[in-house]
Amino acid sequence: EVQLVESGGGLVKPGGSLRLSCAASGFTLRSNSMTWVRQAPGKGLEWVSSISSSSSYIYYADSVKGRFTISRDNAKNSLYLQMNSLRAEDTAVYYCARLTGSSPPDYWGQGTLVTVSS
Amino acid sequence: QSVLTQPPSVSAAPGQKVTISCSGSSSNIGNNYVSWYQQLPGTAPKLLIYDNDKRPSGIPDRFSGSKSGTSATLGITGLQTGDEAAYYCGTWDSSPSVHVVFGGGTKLTVL
Repeated sequence: EVQLVESGGGLVKPGGSLRLSCAASGFTLRSNSMTWVRQAPGKGLEWVSSISSSSSYIYYADSVKGRFTISRDNAKNSLYLQMNSLRAEDTAVYYCARLTGSSPPDYWGQGTLVTVSS
Repeated sequence: QSVLTQPPSVSAAPGQKVTISCSGSSSNIGNNYVSWYQQLPGTAPKLLIYDNDKRPSGIPDRFSGSKSGTSATLGITGLQTGDEAAYYCGTWDSSPSVHVVFGGGTKLTVL
């Protein structure tokens, strides 16, 4: 069974940093591209960043470019999102999700809440 | 402002049928597969339809998907109160600085 479990969320002050992790199981992480998607309270889904299976290709939404860094460790079956210079508008539930082939995400984690507030 | 356009809400009675539309462009829906997701309150999105019209194992055939040009449609028949949720369409996008795009979501109310 495919499972994705996020961790690392919490309350942080504006300008602060957080590192999110996503532990993958039930499939071979190195076979799939992965992505982070966020959802602000009461809002829709917003794509944040994607990384190819070997980390050769990395994409960021304009809203996080230069502040967030996606990475992965296939040996540890883990995906990461380093978030710096956090803003109030980054407050959201962050989901990691698996990409398969040329399709949008199929499996999603349960999400981790990031709250940016003073 | 979402890249893909969905109606904010739809409603229908139990047992009835409803359709939810998703409109995009040639850079996204027109040249890529569309997926549909169901999000119950307080939970993560769940894949309902992938590759335009395929259902993952365990998804009942009451749910169907189709795509034509730069638009896609989710259909739900035999509505149940448990179908009340937000529904999102998603696809890849070939525009610069974008990879995966979603619709703004449609809240389904089963009256």
